[in-house]
Amino acid sequence: GAGVSQSPRYKVAKRGQDVALRCDPISGHVSLFWYQQALGQGPEFLTYFQNEAQLDKSGLPSDRFFAERPEGSVSTLKIQRTQQEDSAVYLCASSLGDRFDTEAFFGQGTRLTVV
Amino acid sequence: GQNIDQPTEMTATEGAIVQINCTYQTSGFNGLFWYQQHAGEAPTFLSYNVLDGLEEKGRFSSFLSRSKGYSYLLLKELQMKDSASYLCAVRPSGGYQKVTFGTGTKLQVIP
Repeated sequence: GAGVSQSPRYKVAKRGQDVALRCDPISGHVSLFWYQQALGQGPEFLTYFQNEAQLDKSGLPSDRFFAERPEGSVSTLKIQRTQQEDSAVYLCASSLGDRFDTEAFFGQGTRLTVV
Repeated sequence: GQNIDQPTEMTATEGAIVQINCTYQTSGFNGLFWYQQHAGEAPTFLSYNVLDGLEEKGRFSSFLSRSKGYSYLLLKELQMKDSASYLCAVRPSGGYQKVTFGTGTKLQVIP
């Protein structure tokens, strides 16, 4: 596609519900990053994929967070048993090369609200 | 680890010049990004500095001093559409060079 696409744009979940957030990166992009952005804050790193390999998941806040990219293209971020503190915008970025570089592009994000 | 510091908010007048500062501490440094983010939208790339000095790109310029751990973004001839958050992000050396973002500076341009 023309850019990084994320869906849904908005998600309201009841506390305790599981959610799945999707990221469609730019075709052919090797690297994919997930960031969490709380209101009024900068993006916080969650996890990094190089093709289908998850090379860094050090930013995932708890074992309720899980990400996958099984075929090296589309990625899904899953949050189990959502909590109010999970409310944030979840941004996905993809990059052509094997790192976050000047050709990295962000999607518009999924705004998750846990009620 | 990395520590990045930016002012939280700034206000400037349409047509004026504004400088947004960013200081950082990192165990290894490769380069520094500036991103613009309008409310509810994706961050968009503005600049990437690797070497010391000023890089100019139209109305926007970015400066880096590696020895001082300091950068600034300079916006000239401010326009109302420049009202946005400006994010400073550091790319360290080593590994795959995980990029870390600052908290962002929210700039409000007033008439």
